[in-house]
Amino acid sequence: ETGVTQSPTHLIKTRGQQVTLRCSSQSGHNTVSWYQQALGQGPQFIFQYYREEENGRGNFPPRFSGLQFPNYSSELNVNALELDDSALYLCASSDGTSGGGADTQYFGPGTRLTVL
Amino acid sequence: AQKVTQAQTEISVVEKEDVTLDCVYETRDTTYYLFWYKQPPSGELVFLIRRNSFDEQNEISGRYSWNFQKSTSSFNFTITASQVVDSAVYFCALNDYNTDKLIFGTGTRLQVFP
Repeated sequence: ETGVTQSPTHLIKTRGQQVTLRCSSQSGHNTVSWYQQALGQGPQFIFQYYREEENGRGNFPPRFSGLQFPNYSSELNVNALELDDSALYLCASSDGTSGGGADTQYFGPGTRLTVL
Repeated sequence: AQKVTQAQTEISVVEKEDVTLDCVYETRDTTYYLFWYKQPPSGELVFLIRRNSFDEQNEISGRYSWNFQKSTSSFNFTITASQVVDSAVYFCALNDYNTDKLIFGTGTRLQVFP
């Protein structure tokens, strides 16, 4: 069984640029969630996708957007990058069978984004 | 508002010592789920345990044990006979019943010295 994978591992961008991060969910999982983890902090929820539809969003501006594809892989897009966007971006997948907060989320290794 | 507090920022122990990581949560939901994750230096969050609000039985898995007490809104994690490989940041998290998002604490960095 393949776990959650993310690409790229590291990325360096400059302020104002746009970035796309990718995530492949664990086999059999139809739900993908994205989190931002600043240095020394706990992960913060960005949004979740369930069967290609956004299924909840955290307190992030609209320049953070996402997609989920028919194979349940997902992309996180960030426009107009700011210095504060520098963080580890984590993707997590779950099987969506329980709902109501019961599903366990399994995380990928993350993408470390540096904005200069 | 839902919140998870991990008051211990960093703990250092010597190998074979027992160590307890504290987690206190706040929620108005009657049904909720609590989790512990381990984050080694590689960055990946590794799932350790999930506990629902209706199951207050303590759980033991090898050297790991968890103590869930609804009366004090705590879900503490104990590592018995710690090992150097246990060195990592440990996060406690609460799952929001309505949105399925995880609400994390700020984490506790555990350093186990040989």
